[in-house]
Amino acid sequence: QKEVEQDPGPLSVPEGAIVSLNCTYSNSAFQYFMWYRQYSRKGPELLMYTYSSGNKEDGRFTAQVDKSSKYISLFIRDSQPSDSATYLCAMSSNSGYALNFGKGTSLLVTP
Amino acid sequence: ETGVTQSPTHLIKTRGQQVTLRCSSQSGHNTVSWYQQALGQGPQFIFQYYREEENGRGNFPPRFSGLQFPNYSSELNVNALELDDSALYLCASSLGLDRNIQYFGAGTRLSVL
Repeated sequence: QKEVEQDPGPLSVPEGAIVSLNCTYSNSAFQYFMWYRQYSRKGPELLMYTYSSGNKEDGRFTAQVDKSSKYISLFIRDSQPSDSATYLCAMSSNSGYALNFGKGTSLLVTP
Repeated sequence: ETGVTQSPTHLIKTRGQQVTLRCSSQSGHNTVSWYQQALGQGPQFIFQYYREEENGRGNFPPRFSGLQFPNYSSELNVNALELDDSALYLCASSLGLDRNIQYFGAGTRLSVL
């Protein structure tokens, strides 16, 4: 079993919809939780990060961490066609240095 | 743009050859990490360099090696290339006090024939 599980999709939604992306993990030592966006043939772009548990909001994006369930989410409000990309969750521990990634979820927002 | 630059952008090699990939970290960042991303997969951690020393390594064989220079730029070297080494190689930089928050470059796409 991989330490980080993420449904690869693809996920297709109409423009303006609320998108929910999720990851589960098994390592209770993880304390840093990141979301990256990756466009085709480009490097991952850091969207948001959270330390420990709780919620964090940045514009149309909200990240949630539930450590009791080992479950993290990224919500995108008022989705736009430009949000079409692969979304990667990544996690690491306090003593670590390596980011552990999910496989990524492919999102398509249709006009 | 993150300020992390990688070169070359694309490289084609044959099995058994050696390759060197380069990375310049974001200004002020003293830590560089390397990842391998196969098609349709998330990035896999190769190793990290902090102050010119290897700070941690993932599950990659010794033919994957690296260097970090005094200006914090870095190289990834891969010897005896195999077909399965074909992937996008990503470099990420971070500040030493917060190595978990990593910013990625655009990557080098390596094709091994």
